[in-house]
Amino acid sequence: DAGVIQSPRHEVTEMGQEVTLRCKPISGHNSLFWYRQTMMRGLELLIYFNNNVPIDDSGMPEDRFSAKMPNASFSTLKIQPSEPRDSAVYFCASGGDTEAFFGQGTRLTVV
Amino acid sequence: AQKVTQAQTEISVVEKEDVTLDCVYETRDTTYYLFWYKQPPSGELVFLIRRNSFDEQNEISGRYSWNFQKSTSSFNFTITASQVVDSAVYFCALSEARRDDKIIFGKGTRLHILP
Repeated sequence: DAGVIQSPRHEVTEMGQEVTLRCKPISGHNSLFWYRQTMMRGLELLIYFNNNVPIDDSGMPEDRFSAKMPNASFSTLKIQPSEPRDSAVYFCASGGDTEAFFGQGTRLTVV
Repeated sequence: AQKVTQAQTEISVVEKEDVTLDCVYETRDTTYYLFWYKQPPSGELVFLIRRNSFDEQNEISGRYSWNFQKSTSSFNFTITASQVVDSAVYFCALSEARRDDKIIFGKGTRLHILP
């Protein structure tokens, strides 16, 4: 398996634009997590899914953020409209029974 | 409440020294899982280990070892004979089974191995 695949790796966008981050989890994993990492706040859990169902989205900062998992092999995190304070590295992770692996992250810069 | 504390923000040691990274957790669950991840300067998060709450046996993997003690709610990580390539930020994390394995991370410990 190629591991958790995130795209794009880097994204630079202007304030107010819509941003969509994508994640392909490891086949067979039933949990999927979206995290945001910043210097100030460390690794924050935004939302996680179990068997494609959102379980806890209490970490989503505000209504501008939304996440979907239409099937077991794909998830998106959308920010609309984006703001400079959304600049961070966004990680997707998928988990099975004995491990949880992370993608390489998407570095988002909102200018 | 679910919480992970890594009190050491930053540690520097000289190569070949042993170093222990501390992790203390809080949970009300009896069934939970503990993790360690490594984040090298390249930025990816590398899975190192996951332990469940019913298995207190210490784990050794090469130069890495983990000491899980439920009595002190700690899951410490030791690197023996450290190498420059061990320089990274190390994260401890916790998930509770009753919360559908939601994984919460500590703030991380930045480890510098000096040549």
